[in-house]
Parts: sequence; C-alpha cells; structure tokens
Amino acid sequence: KQEVTQIPAALSVPEGENLVLNCSFTDSAIYNLQWFRQDPGKGLTSLLLIQSSQREQTSGRLNASLDKSSGRSTLYIAASQPGDSATYLCAVKDYGQNFVFGPGTRLSVLP
Amino acid sequence: ETGVTQSPTHLIKTRGQQVTLRCSSQSGHNTVSWYQQALGQGPQFIFQYYREEENGRGNFPPRFSGLQFPNYSSELNVNALELDDSALYLCASSWRGPTYEQYFGPGTRLTVT
Repeated sequence: KQEVTQIPAALSVPEGENLVLNCSFTDSAIYNLQWFRQDPGKGLTSLLLIQSSQREQTSGRLNASLDKSSGRSTLYIAASQPGDSATYLCAVKDYGQNFVFGPGTRLSVLP
Repeated sequence: ETGVTQSPTHLIKTRGQQVTLRCSSQSGHNTVSWYQQALGQGPQFIFQYYREEENGRGNFPPRFSGLQFPNYSSELNVNALELDDSALYLCASSWRGPTYEQYFGPGTRLTVT
C-alpha cells in the first residue's frame, strides 16, 4: 500500500529565502507525481506535474525534482514571497486509478 | 475555458441523513475523481468515474456512491451520514490521457451534527 509523507509539517521563513519542501513515497511504481497548493478552506491548485520518466519540472520560481528509485520528490521555491503562504501537497498516481496524497507542508512567509 | 465547479459550497446535515454533492468537470475533461479531506490532513481518494462507470475506488464503504453523466458532470452520494463524514469534499477532473493531470474544484464543506 502506497504511503506518502511530507517533511517538514510546517515551515516559517522570512521573505526572500529559498526553501525546499520534501515528499517521500514508499512504492516507486508510480505513474506521476503532482504538487499542489491549497489556501485555507479552498480547493487545490496544480503547480507542477512530473511524469515517472522525468527528473524535474520548472515553472517560474518553482522547481520540482523526482527520484523514483529513492522514493523522493522535492519542491524548490526561490525568493519566497508572502503570497506563497499556503499548504503544499504532493500526490502520487499509480498505474491503476489510485491517487495518494501526503499530509502537506504548511508554509508561512513573513514580510 | 470553464474550470471545475462544485455545489453547494457549504452543507449542514444530521447524523443518519443522506446527502448529494455535485461537480461540473472542466471543459474537455472526461474523468472525475472525488476526495474527502478532513481538517489538517491530505485528501483521501474516494473513487473515480470514467465514461459513466466507477473506474477505481479508495478505502471507503459502499454508503459512498456516485454517478457520472453523459456531459461528464458527477454526483457524490453519501447515505447514513456519520459524524466522521464531516470534511471538505473535493472533486477533480482530468483528461484520461498521457498525463492524467488533475484540476480541482473549490470543494463542498459538509458538517454532520
């Protein structure tokens, strides 16, 4: 059974810092991995999707990497801003129709 | 391009009642997935519908059921509501293609008293 964990559970940083969020999964047989952002009480916004054959994806100040063999993905946020404050979730899809989310990392960027 | 929409936004029900939540897919998407998100946790996969049939299911009892319509909109039905069913219910649509990238709606907040 796939299990997804995220470290740290919460993070508070001053504006301008570069930061790394971690996602780990137990079964390396994944189809893809997707990173999301969730504002309090809201739905999820897709940030980046990495297919199993890819090593990384970039969008603006965000970069996500995937190491299937070690069961890890990292989300790198450059030059953090107060507007980046949210919960960040990773989710893995297997080759069936199962999607498993991690518990999220709650990020606060202080002005 | 219209995004994923869900209705209602909030709902309060009594234990033992039944509830129906609705979701309209993003234009061009043919697959709908439903998730339950308890406070402070990640979403839990309930099930997925493709071509009007259930196409995958998480660890949820049969009192959680759904429908997908020809226009790819979907309903989630929950019977015999329990207090633990209180959560944010999220709908996600995707195109059953190479990426399966999911796009989420704003969610329905269900409170069971």
